[in-house]
Amino acid sequence: EDKVVQSPLSLVVHEGDTVTLNCSYEVTNFRSLLWYKQEKKAPTFLFMLTSSGIEKKSGRLSSILDKKELSSILNITATQTGDSAIYLCAVVGTGTASKLTFGTGTRLQVTL
Amino acid sequence: EAQVTQNPRYLITVTGKKLTVTCSQNMNHEYMSWYRQDPGLGLRQIYYSMNVEVTDKGDVPEGYKVSRKEKRNFPLILESPSPNQTSLYFCASSLRGPPAPYGYTFGSGTRLTVV
Repeated sequence: EDKVVQSPLSLVVHEGDTVTLNCSYEVTNFRSLLWYKQEKKAPTFLFMLTSSGIEKKSGRLSSILDKKELSSILNITATQTGDSAIYLCAVVGTGTASKLTFGTGTRLQVTL
Repeated sequence: EAQVTQNPRYLITVTGKKLTVTCSQNMNHEYMSWYRQDPGLGLRQIYYSMNVEVTDKGDVPEGYKVSRKEKRNFPLILESPSPNQTSLYFCASSLRGPPAPYGYTFGSGTRLTVV
């Protein structure tokens, strides 16, 4: 069974800090890893990382896939209060083409 | 606007009273799926559909039914709801079975409480 573990479960930082969120996975025949941001309700897509695209960046957010360590990190620099959310990591393997397997998420709170 | 629409947003019901949560997408997506989200357990797949008339169980299908008679609609049916089905439910769609270029598009969620 595919498995995704995220850490930390929760963290609180001050505005302007840099944070690193972790995601480790076990999946049959890895295809891709996705990061989502969940604020009040529906998760919204951030990045997708695959064997051919192991690093993505968008503004202050960036993500790297480490296929050897079966993990990924999501970095947020110069955090803002609007970054407060739950960040979800999900993986897809060829054995589970029917779904994304999600971690339980990291709750980030950015304070003034 | 491309979107996945779920209704209702909030629902409180009593044990055993059949209910349906609707989901509709306007993106001509082939793949649709239902998830439930519970504290400490994350998002777990209930059912999915690869296309019209093609549905299959996810990880936690007990107590739920689905149908896919039309491409755009994928309702979730609880024939006899129980309190352990109290949860936040998400419908999601994708152009095809994952991984689509942008993963899933999620609906805004349905907060269900069964008393």
